[in-house]
Amino acid sequence: GESVGLHLPTLSVQEGDNSIINCAYSNSASDYFIWYKQESGKGPQFIIDIRSNMDKRQGQRVTVLLNKTVKHLSLQIAATQPGDSAVYFCAEGYNDMRFGAGTRLTVKP
Amino acid sequence: ETGVTQSPTHLIKTRGQQVTLRCSSQSGHNTVSWYQQALGQGPQFIFQYYREEENGRGNFPPRFSGLQFPNYSSELNVNALELDDSALYLCASSLVAGGNTGELFFGEGSRLTVL
Repeated sequence: GESVGLHLPTLSVQEGDNSIINCAYSNSASDYFIWYKQESGKGPQFIIDIRSNMDKRQGQRVTVLLNKTVKHLSLQIAATQPGDSAVYFCAEGYNDMRFGAGTRLTVKP
Repeated sequence: ETGVTQSPTHLIKTRGQQVTLRCSSQSGHNTVSWYQQALGQGPQFIFQYYREEENGRGNFPPRFSGLQFPNYSSELNVNALELDDSALYLCASSLVAGGNTGELFFGEGSRLTVL
């Protein structure tokens, strides 16, 4: 069965608002999580990662939160821009990375 | 740009045929992973090659095979094509360090349509 899954297949936000994309995983031994962004016609692009010994990690306009108790991962995008419109995947693992089904983020001007 | 190039970008085959997809990894990377992405789905791990040897395989039948060359480029071969093999095939290169794969850098994929 799927080891990572996203809560919503689509998300629509207004430009300038914050976006939150959620993901659940099933394997409590999972040690490494990554968020990818995939624009139309392109391959997935690394956004941010987090290891299981951390609860939070911040990048440029993005924050990943990890809740190991409920096996939940989220990606927060601050001040969402039209260029953020894409499909976002959470993934876990190292050499055989397992991806969720993706959430399509649409940013309305 | 990730520095990972894949060819061809699009191709159409008929059921039962064979296909070879190619990938050039980013300079300095020693590992190539292949993923299959069906329409509307997340990528699924096919296999990984490290130093010309298969280094892990997902739940794909033996008709999916691969090669890695001394320059770390790679090929994915699929025999006896089936309609369900229609998908975007993604190659990702990385640098193995400390036993684990580092950040994956994906190419733009080869879109295969099987009729």
